[in-house]
Amino acid sequence: DQQVKQNSPSLSVQEGRISILNCDYTNSMFDYFLWYKKYPAEGPTFLISISSIKDKNEDGRFTVFLNKSAKHLSLHIVPSQPGDSAVYFCAASPTGTASKLTFGTGTRLQVTL
Amino acid sequence: NAGVTQTPKFRVLKTGQSMTLLCAQDMNHEYMYWYRQDPGMGLRLIHYSVGEGTTAKGEVPDGYNVSRLKKQNFLLGLESAAPSQTSVYFCASSPLPTGARVQPQHFGDGTRLSIL
Repeated sequence: DQQVKQNSPSLSVQEGRISILNCDYTNSMFDYFLWYKKYPAEGPTFLISISSIKDKNEDGRFTVFLNKSAKHLSLHIVPSQPGDSAVYFCAASPTGTASKLTFGTGTRLQVTL
Repeated sequence: NAGVTQTPKFRVLKTGQSMTLLCAQDMNHEYMYWYRQDPGMGLRLIHYSVGEGTTAKGEVPDGYNVSRLKKQNFLLGLESAAPSQTSVYFCASSPLPTGARVQPQHFGDGTRLSIL
């Protein structure tokens, strides 16, 4: 049972345009959400997070939106750059559980020139 | 800054052999984790530790054992390797949560393990 789902395995976006990566979850106990970025042969690196008490969090070119009623979150990258080409993982955690994360399957983003 | 270091980076084993994967972190983090990543799947939690001398099972613990004798090290053992354990293994660490805020995990670069 996949509790965190990323239904788009891949996404291609032109440089300078907006990239939108989506994530859905089923577990109502999740109240903290994170996005990680992963390059080949490297470990995931933390990108941005959001608590369930917020519906938006912004950090430079990256913004995460959370819709609790729909159990949906999205990551917006504006403007997209070639260096953003990577696999993006959505992850979720209930608080008070040793920060254990449940990951989605990832979306491969390719930013083209 | 070393962060989280995993050794070895690659290993090939025969079915039935045993081995230990080492994870070391220099950030004084309390929590440490072992994940596996398989094609088409996200990272899945194998075991984790909330402090020196403690371990707990994650989502897919069967066939693995762990130990955390020192705060900075978290070892993952395969007693009798099976082809189904062919995967990329990631170690991570995180500090204690700040209030209700979950602290992000910091990951190593992975160990690619093939079992023939």
